[in-house]
Amino acid sequence: AQSVSQHNHHVILSEAASLELGCNYSYGGTVNLFWYVQYPGQHLQLLLKYFSGDPLVKGIKGFEAEFIKSKFSFNLRKPSVQWSDTAEYFCAVNAYNNNDMRFGAGTRLTVKP
Amino acid sequence: EAQVTQNPRYLITVTGKKLTVTCSQNMNHEYMSWYRQDPGLGLRQIYYSMNVEATDKGDVPEGYKVSRKEKRNFPLILESPSPNQTSLYFCASSRDRARVYFGPGTRLTVT
Repeated sequence: AQSVSQHNHHVILSEAASLELGCNYSYGGTVNLFWYVQYPGQHLQLLLKYFSGDPLVKGIKGFEAEFIKSKFSFNLRKPSVQWSDTAEYFCAVNAYNNNDMRFGAGTRLTVKP
Repeated sequence: EAQVTQNPRYLITVTGKKLTVTCSQNMNHEYMSWYRQDPGLGLRQIYYSMNVEATDKGDVPEGYKVSRKEKRNFPLILESPSPNQTSLYFCASSRDRARVYFGPGTRLTVT
């Protein structure tokens, strides 16, 4: 079965700093990759997803992620974070041929104003 | 409006008292699943269902039961809750891999 690891548990940044959150997965076959965000007290929302094609994926709110197949990675980036980006971010993966989605442990992002 | 609903949203109960958390979706999705979210562990899948009368264990099924008698409903049952089941629970549904819809969450405390 596929698994996901997120390297950073808690990241603290100042506003306007650049962000990169690491995500690696383990699965030998074709995968679909996702980043979800959970704002305090809310449920998960989809930020972006990768199925195929251009490995650089643009999502909502200025986020992007790059799929590097050789590294089994799908890191999330944002050039300039805002205080409102404070949230928990989850990387997720499912195998190409099923709906069974696995999540990473999450990275809590705190942006200081 | 497409949505996944869960009830109750908050529940405090005592050890051993059976409880059910309901989950319902209005999108005619075939796939539904339950996750629990714990600090530092992310979301872990408890059970999933590919369709009516088709359920299977996820990563952490111990202490939980589910049923899928109708397409829209996927209740999570704790026959004898214990304190280690204190957690935040999310139900999810999807038709395909493109989009997973999550419910608002149920915060359960077992004392």
